[in-house]
Amino acid sequence: GQQLNQSPQSMFIQEGEDVSMNCTSSSIFNTWLWYKQEPGEGPVLLIALYKAGELTSNGRLTAQFGITRKDSFLNISASIPSDVGIYFCAGLPGDMRFGAGTRLTVKP
Amino acid sequence: DTGVSQDPRHKITKRGQNVTFRCDPISEHNRLYWYRQTLGQGPEFLTYFQNEAQLEKSRLLSDRFSAERPKGSFSTLEIQRTEQGDSAMYLCASSPGFEAFFGQGTRLTVV
Repeated sequence: GQQLNQSPQSMFIQEGEDVSMNCTSSSIFNTWLWYKQEPGEGPVLLIALYKAGELTSNGRLTAQFGITRKDSFLNISASIPSDVGIYFCAGLPGDMRFGAGTRLTVKP
Repeated sequence: DTGVSQDPRHKITKRGQNVTFRCDPISEHNRLYWYRQTLGQGPEFLTYFQNEAQLEKSRLLSDRFSAERPKGSFSTLEIQRTEQGDSAMYLCASSPGFEAFFGQGTRLTVV
């Protein structure tokens, strides 16, 4: 199956700062998915991207589907304490494997 | 509630016992995925179904693990002769093909 690499592994930021994380793949995807997971819960879908070059926003979140179809970026603007969690990327089609995640900590 | 439902939420079992988990996907979602997640790691793919057909199984899915999706609706994941290393969160996700939605998971503790 495809390998997904997420970076950075963790981030410690001050409330109000912007955040950027990315995901790269050894395979080409038709769909990129970004999830957030909080302790003891299942991942929650944040943004889905369907087209190379696409830029999609969901509130303070913006994600882009790389034009090579092998990478994607997620940005969070003006972070707040409730943004704390682990952010995962995944790709489709296929067996939908996940990256190892980016752990975000926001200091008030 | 029309989300993905997993049962039970928590399971404690003795080593060597068999356990079975159930996942009810979102209605009419033809794809269903199973994952295992340990602390600090991303979800590890176990297997997925397109309707009732099991299309792929990970090497993580040893012969002690079996998954079914009769009639292409709910799915079960069974672990036989549980080992302490099986302790993890087991996640299920369903998809209509272009997005996937997760249940809240079943946390298994093998003692």
